[in-house]
Amino acid sequence: KQEVTQIPAALSVPEGENLVLNCSFTDSAIYNLQWFRQDPGKGLTSLLLIQSSQREQTSGRLNASLDKSSGRSTLYIAASQPGDSATYLCAVGMDSNYQLIWGAGTKLIIKP
Amino acid sequence: NAGVMQNPRHLVRRRGQEARLRCSPMKGHSHVYWYRQLPEEGLKFMVYLQKENIIDESGMPKERFSAEFPKEGPSILRIQQVVRGDSAAYFCASSTYRVADTQYFGPGTRLTVL
Repeated sequence: KQEVTQIPAALSVPEGENLVLNCSFTDSAIYNLQWFRQDPGKGLTSLLLIQSSQREQTSGRLNASLDKSSGRSTLYIAASQPGDSATYLCAVGMDSNYQLIWGAGTKLIIKP
Repeated sequence: NAGVMQNPRHLVRRRGQEARLRCSPMKGHSHVYWYRQLPEEGLKFMVYLQKENIIDESGMPKERFSAEFPKEGPSILRIQQVVRGDSAAYFCASSTYRVADTQYFGPGTRLTVL
């Protein structure tokens, strides 16, 4: 049974710092992995999608990496801004499966 | 092309009442998924539907919960005789294809049971 863990559960850093969020999964036979952003009281925004054959994806100041063999993904945020404050969720899609298996998220606060 | 729409956005019910949550998928999407997010937790899969069919309801409690996606109209998640433990955010997603990387999410319905 796939389990997804995100560490830390919460993180507070000063504006301008680079930071890394972690996601680990127990079953390496994944189809893909996605990072989402969730703002308080709002829905989910897909940030980056990494297919199982890929090692990383980049979008603006965000870079996500995937190491299937070790069961880990990281989301790197460069030059953090207060607007980056949100909860970041990692979700794993399993092969030939439509279900997404989610981590509990990392609540990020960027202090001005 | 409007995104996935959910209503109501907030719903308050007293214990024992019924809750009906609606989800209108994106235009052209025939696959709908419901997820539940308890406070401070990740989302948990509940049910996957195609038009007029429940494909997988393995994540949905056997009692009090039901879901449908009729030929016409939105998908409905129905919770009968709500209890305080049902308080959560319920998210709907839709997709064109039956694969995990094409799901688009709605804004969610936040259910509070008093």
